[in-house]
Amino acid sequence: QLQLQESGPGLVKPSGTLSLTCSVSGGSVSSPSYFWGWIRQPPGKGLEWIGNIYFNGNTYYSPSLKSRVTVSVDTSKNQFSLKLSSLTAADTAVYYCARYSASYFESWGQGTLVTVSS
Amino acid sequence: QSALTQPPSASGSPGQSVTISCTGTSNDVGGYDYVSWYQQHPGKAPKLVIYEVTKRPSGVPYRFSASKSGNTASLTVSRLQAEDEADYYCLSYIGGNSWVFGGGTKLTVL
Repeated sequence: QLQLQESGPGLVKPSGTLSLTCSVSGGSVSSPSYFWGWIRQPPGKGLEWIGNIYFNGNTYYSPSLKSRVTVSVDTSKNQFSLKLSSLTAADTAVYYCARYSASYFESWGQGTLVTVSS
Repeated sequence: QSALTQPPSASGSPGQSVTISCTGTSNDVGGYDYVSWYQQHPGKAPKLVIYEVTKRPSGVPYRFSASKSGNTASLTVSRLQAEDEADYYCLSYIGGNSWVFGGGTKLTVL
């Protein structure tokens, strides 16, 4: 059974960079059948798509975040990662990683709260 | 790309049916048959309940159905149960390998 687990610092400083990793078990990030993605949800608000990555490293980002986002994949560790730079309080959110199949996010991690504060 | 438009709230009594709408444009909802719906209980990760406009994943009750007309997609929950109380989000492909969520609808079972 596929499992995804986010990990990373829960508190980051304004103007800094958020770095999160999603560890995948029960499936392979090297599979050509899927994309791997990041989604976030500010407290009390809705979901926002951040970006996806394919096993070959091709990336696709939300236009509103594109200038600050980098998603990468490490097939040797069966992980993929998110970096978001130039942080402000508006980036405080629960960050989810997920597996994307064809046209939908079929499996999600439990999410991790990242707070941007000094 | 702005979020797709969903009503902030919807409600119904046990046993009734409720329909939640998701309105976009011809560049997203109306342009592709790639609309999916997610159920999110408080403090939990979203769960896929509908994909590709009308398809139901294995394990999702038949009470969940969906459709699309023009630029508006709809999710219907029939025979409401207490466990259906949750937030519901739509997601649409918008081209260029990009996606956009709806603003979310809080479904209350009265």
